[in-house]
Amino acid sequence: GAVVSQHPSWVICKSGTSVKIECRSLDFQATTMFWYRQFPKQSLMLMATSNEGSKATYEQGVEKDKFLINHASLTLSTLTVTSAHPEDSSFYICSARDTGQATNEKLFFGSGTQLSVL
Amino acid sequence: AQTVTQSQPEMSVQEAETVTLSCTYDTSESDYYLFWYKQPPSRQMILVIRQEAYKQQNATENRFSVNFQKAAKSFSLKISDSQLGDAAMYFCAYRYSGAGSYQLTFGKGTKLSVIP
Repeated sequence: GAVVSQHPSWVICKSGTSVKIECRSLDFQATTMFWYRQFPKQSLMLMATSNEGSKATYEQGVEKDKFLINHASLTLSTLTVTSAHPEDSSFYICSARDTGQATNEKLFFGSGTQLSVL
Repeated sequence: AQTVTQSQPEMSVQEAETVTLSCTYDTSESDYYLFWYKQPPSRQMILVIRQEAYKQQNATENRFSVNFQKAAKSFSLKISDSQLGDAAMYFCAYRYSGAGSYQLTFGKGTKLSVIP
């Protein structure tokens, strides 16, 4: 099946620094990718929809200036957590849709990134 | 807005037995997809089974099957012959099937433990 590579798998950073997380579709093109956030023992909450070549669409309550999304190519979307603070510590997961497949096809998930902000 | 509710935070099942996880959802749409995802300790999301709302027949995938009741907006997952590897968090999810709509709405999850 299709593979979505997400890096890094974990990152520890100091408060106030920025962290970039990459989501890459390895064997398919993805014009649309999604970024989710998951707190411990909770569900996945959609943060934003990343569209290749255009601005991301953010869910209500998600600060677009804090969570910068760039989808500059058909296989790569990045999420940058700017000026990270301890409350940003969470598990971030991306998913991607194979553009070449029918609309009823499934989404593919990355393996997630655990962000810990000290 | 669509909502997905999983009323069982935790469930346990004896190995080789059968367990059913519950899920209800709320939507005003008539055409949509429903999913069950498994999240093991590795936290990799794994698609277990998918149901298209326009299909009356319940989806099955080996030991996994669903009971889809569209009128009741219920979508339960049955795991037969439970195995130790089935222990994980299980999330029910909804997706509208309209063009350009691929966002998933997840329930809060059910933690399944399998007792040897």
